[in-house]
Order: sequence, then structure tokens, then C-alpha cells
Amino acid sequence: AQTVTQSQPEMSVQEAETVTLSCTYDTSENNYYLFWYKQPPSRQMILVIRQEAYKQQNATENRFSVNFQKAAKSFSLKISDSQLGDTAMYFCAFLLTLSSNTGKLIFGQGTTLQVKP
Amino acid sequence: DAGVTQSPTHLIKTRGQQVTLRCSPKSGHDTVSWYQQALGQGPQFIFQYYEEEERQRGNFPDRFSGHQFPNYSSELNVNALLLGDSALYLCASSSDRVGTEAFFGQGTRLTVV
Repeated sequence: AQTVTQSQPEMSVQEAETVTLSCTYDTSENNYYLFWYKQPPSRQMILVIRQEAYKQQNATENRFSVNFQKAAKSFSLKISDSQLGDTAMYFCAFLLTLSSNTGKLIFGQGTTLQVKP
Repeated sequence: DAGVTQSPTHLIKTRGQQVTLRCSPKSGHDTVSWYQQALGQGPQFIFQYYEEEERQRGNFPDRFSGHQFPNYSSELNVNALLLGDSALYLCASSSDRVGTEAFFGQGTRLTVV
């Protein structure tokens, strides 16, 4: 069975600084995707960034980038130039891309990030 | 594009009652998945619907059932509500069964008293 672990329940960062959120996962499979989702107080889960396991290059989306270490099963999210609007709960999620396991996202417990002015 | 819409936004039910939650997927999406998110926790997969059939199910009892209509919208039904069913219920839609780009709605907050 696949598991996702986020070991940092809460984090805070000063506006304009950089913060890194950690995520580890466990799987014996090779074909999967990893995601970081943001959930602000509005409750809607918003996709921040996505990484395909077979791609060695780390994904980047503007101020958001990941450090994907496949052998170590680690998938951390770096937020640069933090903004007040980045305050939210962040979830790491795993998706196994097997035909028998479609669409089932497995989420970690979440990390609450507070950006301070 | 309205995105994924869920109704109602909030709901209060009494233990033992039944509830129906609704979801309209993002335009162009034909696959709908449902998740339960307890307070302070990550979402847990309930099931996925594609072509009006349940394609995969998480570790939830049969009290949880669903339906998908020809227009791809979906319903989640929960029978014999328990206090532990109180949670945020999220609907996600995608244009492929694998779900490599799932879009979520704002959820329905269900409180069972």
C-alpha cells in the first residue's frame, strides 16, 4: 500500500523569504505522479505543482519548485518570495497510474503554512 | 468556466438520517471522484465514477453510495449517518480516469448531530 507522510504540522515564514515543506512517500511501484495542493480557508483544493515520476527534472511553477528525490522517496516543495496569499494548508499527494488504480489520490496529513508580514 | 461546483455548501443532519450531496464537474470532464476530509486531516478517497459506473472504491462502508448521471454530474449518498461522518466532502473532476490533473470543488461541510 502507498503512504504519504508530511512530518511538519505547522510552519511559518516571513513575507518575501523562502520556505521548504517536506514530504516522503512509500511505494514499490514505478509509475506515479506526485502533487502539492494548497487549501486556503476557502476550502477549495488548488493544484500548486505536479511531478511525473519518470521525469528526472524537477518541476517548477513560478515561485514554486520541487526537489524530487526518487530513490529517497522524497518530494519537498520550495516556495520562494513568500506572499501573504500563500498562507494555507499544503497537502502532498500521490497518484498511482495503473489501470486498476485510477484516480485515487493519496494525501498526506498536511502542513499549515503561515506567512507573516 | 464555472469549474467544479458542489451543493449544498453546508448541511446539518441528525444521526441516523440520510444525506445526498451533489457535484457538477468542470466543463469537458467526464470523471468524478469523491473524498472525505475530517477536520485537520488530509482527504480520504471514497470512490470514483466514470461512464456512470463506480470504477474504484476506497475503504468506506456500503452506507456510502453514489451515482453519476449522463451529463457527468454526480451524487454522493450517505445512509444511517453517524457522528463520525461529520466532515468536509470534496468532489474532484478530471478529463481522464487516471486523474493526473484533478480539479476540486469547494466542498460540502456536513455536520451530524
